[in-house]
Amino acid sequence: EIVLTQSPDFQSVTPKEKVTITCRASQSIGSSLHWYQQKPDQSPKLLIKYASQSFSGVPSRFSGSGSGTDFTLTINSLEAEDAATYYCHQSSSLPETFGQGTKVEIK
Amino acid sequence: EVQLVQSGAEVKKPGESLKISCKGSGYSFTSYWIGWVRQMPGKGLEWMGIIYPGDSDTRYSPSFQGQVTISADKSISTAYLQWSSLKASDTAMYYCARRTTVHPNDAFDIWGQGTMVTVSS
Repeated sequence: EIVLTQSPDFQSVTPKEKVTITCRASQSIGSSLHWYQQKPDQSPKLLIKYASQSFSGVPSRFSGSGSGTDFTLTINSLEAEDAATYYCHQSSSLPETFGQGTKVEIK
Repeated sequence: EVQLVQSGAEVKKPGESLKISCKGSGYSFTSYWIGWVRQMPGKGLEWMGIIYPGDSDTRYSPSFQGQVTISADKSISTAYLQWSSLKASDTAMYYCARRTTVHPNDAFDIWGQGTMVTVSS
């Protein structure tokens, strides 16, 4: 099973600041890495698929990069509505797995 | 509108059986893989398994193999997750989610609203 390790687990950020979340895979997964945002009491929402492809309707301040084992989700100019937990997800091999999540809090 | 609508919250006792549902609409139900994801209270997302409603091809995570059964009835565009004997540790929110495209390795773009399952004596 491929283990995804996100860092940090928690981040407290002021509005307009840049946020960087990393996701490291225990083995190479090519670009089969996706990012989701989950707000309290809501279902997850897809932000980025295949490492860097922005999903339709997602604000342009969200971007993704990486391949192989190291991936990054970047939120440029954080807004208050971005307070949420962010998860990475690999679909390269079964069983698919999620990272443990990174909670982003607004200061 | 493309959507997945899940069945309502359930409260069960240990040892009871349960089947929850996920109904797709607004798209060709048989053409897209549907996955199930568990979220225990205050915890992260766990991938349980996935089914292709077109031919019921099903894959499970080893962590859930033998513990749950995933199925689908394409005639009514509905996927299911079932337990034969619930445990307290099955208490969680369960989400169904649809692949973004017909590609078997794509992300999940459409998520159900979640079904909360509470197992308590």
